[in-house]
Amino acid sequence: AQKVTQAQTEISVVEKEDVTLDCVYETRDTTYYLFWYKQPPSGELVFLIRRNSFDEQNEISGRYSWNFQKSTSSFNFTITASQVVDSAVYFCALSLKSGYSTLTFGKGTMLLVSP
Amino acid sequence: DARVTQTPRHKVTEMGQEVTMRCQPILGHNTVFWYRQTMMQGLELLAYFRNRAPLDDSGMPKDRFSAEMPDATLATLKIQPSEPRDSAVYFCASGPPSRYNEQFFGPGTRLTVL
Repeated sequence: AQKVTQAQTEISVVEKEDVTLDCVYETRDTTYYLFWYKQPPSGELVFLIRRNSFDEQNEISGRYSWNFQKSTSSFNFTITASQVVDSAVYFCALSLKSGYSTLTFGKGTMLLVSP
Repeated sequence: DARVTQTPRHKVTEMGQEVTMRCQPILGHNTVFWYRQTMMQGLELLAYFRNRAPLDDSGMPKDRFSAEMPDATLATLKIQPSEPRDSAVYFCASGPPSRYNEQFFGPGTRLTVL
């Protein structure tokens, strides 16, 4: 069975600080997908990124960047120069290529960015 | 801007009442998922459909929960009878053909059972 661990329950930073959200996953499959979702206070789940297990290139999108390391089974998410609007709960998730392709979510990390 | 829609957005009901939640997947998507989010358990998969056929509902309490897709544009999740422990946010997500790993979530239905 697969598992996603987000060890940080809550992180508080001050605006403009950089912050990294950790995600560690477990699976025996060699082909899988990793995701990050954002859940702002309004409650909806917003898709941020999907990464497949064969693509270890780091990705940058504006102030967001993702570091995928298969050797440590980690898929960490960094927000550079954080803003108050980044305050949300962030979920890391794993999906296998085989089977039903359902998402296994971590427990989430609540990020609070203060002005 | 195609989105998954869910109704109602909020529902307050009394224990023992039937609750029906509806989801309209994005047009052209052929996979539909139902998730439940609680503080204690986080996000859990309840049921999963592909081409309107249920593929996995092992996460759902069978005695009181039922999920159906009467047609390609409507998915329903029913609870009968509802209990206070069913209070949660219920999310529907849909995914496009051949890219089953991509899931787009609706805004959720916040259910409170008194």
